[in-house]
Amino acid sequence: GQQLNQSPQSMFIQEGEDVSMNCTSSSIFNTWLWYKQDPGEGPVLLIALYKAGELTSNGRLTAQFGITRKDSFLNISASIPSDVGIYFCAGQLNTGNQFYFGTGTSLTVIP
Amino acid sequence: EAQVTQNPRYLITVTGKKLTVTCSQNMNHEYMSWYRQDPGLGLRQIYYSMNVEVTDKGDVPEGYKVSRKEKRNFPLILESPSPNQTSLYFCASRKDRVDTEAFFGQGTRLTVV
Repeated sequence: GQQLNQSPQSMFIQEGEDVSMNCTSSSIFNTWLWYKQDPGEGPVLLIALYKAGELTSNGRLTAQFGITRKDSFLNISASIPSDVGIYFCAGQLNTGNQFYFGTGTSLTVIP
Repeated sequence: EAQVTQNPRYLITVTGKKLTVTCSQNMNHEYMSWYRQDPGLGLRQIYYSMNVEVTDKGDVPEGYKVSRKEKRNFPLILESPSPNQTSLYFCASRKDRVDTEAFFGQGTRLTVV
């Protein structure tokens, strides 16, 4: 299977700070997704990206599809306590194929 | 309410005792899949199904079986569980193989002793 590496593995930040995380792959992906997993729940889709260079926002979240198509980035602005959770990237090689998930970034927001 | 329902949420069992984790979705989705989540490894796909009676192996299928006799249900079967199958399991569904948004169940935490 494909290996997607997320960085950093974990983050501890103060409420109000901005957050940046990334996901890299050795393969070129057609689609990048970002999911969030709240404690004790299943992942929920945040943002989907379909084109190299694409920048998409969802509220305080902004994600980018890297121009090399081998990476993607997620930024969270002005973090709040409910941002706590694990953030996963996921990539798809071709339309219709399975999604490969990253190793996850655990975010803790200190009030 | 649109949802994916897994049962049980928590299960402790002994090595070798067959078990089934059920998964049901009420969205008429064609595509369903099972993942396991382990620390440092993220989510890895075990099996997937593109439609009724169509199933295929994911990246880590060894020790697992699935069936898809009806569209809404996709049970995960462990015929002879072993301690290395201790993990957090998620069922997910999406409308079809082209759709990108997957809906996940709440997870089943399995411990095999």
